[in-house]
Amino acid sequence: QVQLVESGGGLVKPGGSLRLSCAASGFTFRDYYMSWIRQAPGKGLEWVSYISSSGRIMFYSDSVKGRFTISRDNAKNSLHLQMSSLRVEDTAVYSCAGGSGSYFDFDIWGQGTLVTVSS
Amino acid sequence: SYVLTQPPSVSVAPGKTARVTCGGDNIGSKPVHWYQQKPGRAPVLVIYYDTNRPSGIPERVSGSNSGNTATLTISRVEAGDEADYYCQVWDRNSDHYVFGTGTKVTVL
Repeated sequence: QVQLVESGGGLVKPGGSLRLSCAASGFTFRDYYMSWIRQAPGKGLEWVSYISSSGRIMFYSDSVKGRFTISRDNAKNSLHLQMSSLRVEDTAVYSCAGGSGSYFDFDIWGQGTLVTVSS
Repeated sequence: SYVLTQPPSVSVAPGKTARVTCGGDNIGSKPVHWYQQKPGRAPVLVIYYDTNRPSGIPERVSGSNSGNTATLTISRVEAGDEADYYCQVWDRNSDHYVFGTGTKVTVL
């Protein structure tokens, strides 16, 4: 079945680094644009980063630009988020999501992986 | 940056109609998408491009978008509709996705 499964979350100290991964299955991953979206505990959805289906175009939210890097490997059906210079306010559940339409919506979501930044 | 504003909460009796608004500057000119999120679960797309339902979403869920307000309407509300709902657009001016602040729909 169509599935996105995130991994790589955990506890990290402020200033540290972490690499998240998202494994895709059950659909043609290379046809989907992908994003990382986070949700702090008890808060709303916050978009983090976008990558086009080919991997050639990337965008970042202002809050993570210069610290996070999104990438994908279409041969391995995987999406990644390299996070560095982590801050306490980066604490959240990070989910990958994807879409294939023309309107930048997300029709596939993962369950998320928790990132906790604390000393 | 572009901002989408939703009411924090909406309460509705079973069988009645719930309306969730999403306000943004000239939002009627942008495609708006809506997501339902139940506790501990991933969001689910319920409306895309203003008015379109993905397969599996019941006809009693509908959307509209005009002027400065987009609206998600849930008719004949059921207990299973209790969830958080988020609107979302793509802002071409900033190349950013924007999510609304979220609305908790409570079924009385």
